[in-house]
Amino acid sequence: AQRVTQPEKLLSVFKGAPVELKCNYSYSGSPELFWYVQYSRQRLQLLLRHISRESIKGFTADLNKGETSFHLKKPFAQEEDSAMYYCALSWGGGNKLTFGTGTQLKVEL
Amino acid sequence: GAVVSQHPSRVICKSGTSVKIECRSLDFQATTMFWYRQFPKQSLMLMATSNEGSKATYEQGVEKDKFLINHASLTLSTLTVTSAHPEDSSFYICSARLAGTGELFFGEGSRLTVL
Repeated sequence: AQRVTQPEKLLSVFKGAPVELKCNYSYSGSPELFWYVQYSRQRLQLLLRHISRESIKGFTADLNKGETSFHLKKPFAQEEDSAMYYCALSWGGGNKLTFGTGTQLKVEL
Repeated sequence: GAVVSQHPSRVICKSGTSVKIECRSLDFQATTMFWYRQFPKQSLMLMATSNEGSKATYEQGVEKDKFLINHASLTLSTLTVTSAHPEDSSFYICSARLAGTGELFFGEGSRLTVL
């Protein structure tokens, strides 16, 4: 069965510091991975997907199949990055998502 | 961007009653919608996939007679929690798939409290 693990419930960093939110997965098929973000009092929204290989709001994530990881990184954290971040794995022909438990990122001044 | 709206955002009901939650795609048509449940400080758990014009498919462990899903149109899916009990109290979130990109858009969620 597929599984997504986010080991950190809370990550607190200072503004300008690098950020890395960890995500590991287990899946027997070919994985498609996403990062979703939920800002305070807002709905969940897509941040980025691994197949796009894009940088959104300064965030990047590289799929490492050897380590079964998809860590989210940003070189310099901003206050507006404070939010809940969920890593998710797509399966079932791309129709279904399994979410990790989420990491609350807090960027302090 | 595409918008998905849920209604109601909050509902309180008595034990034994049924509650209906609506999920609408406001500016696009969605043949597939998904219902999730989220307990406090926990992840979103997929409950079922709602398919327009056909029966919903439920994930293992989810009682289909308890959580009735109807997807009667390309813009509306409903989740009815039947004979609700306090343990059904939770945050229910829907998402809709945008054709073409396949991107999922999420509703704002509905908090159900069963007394």
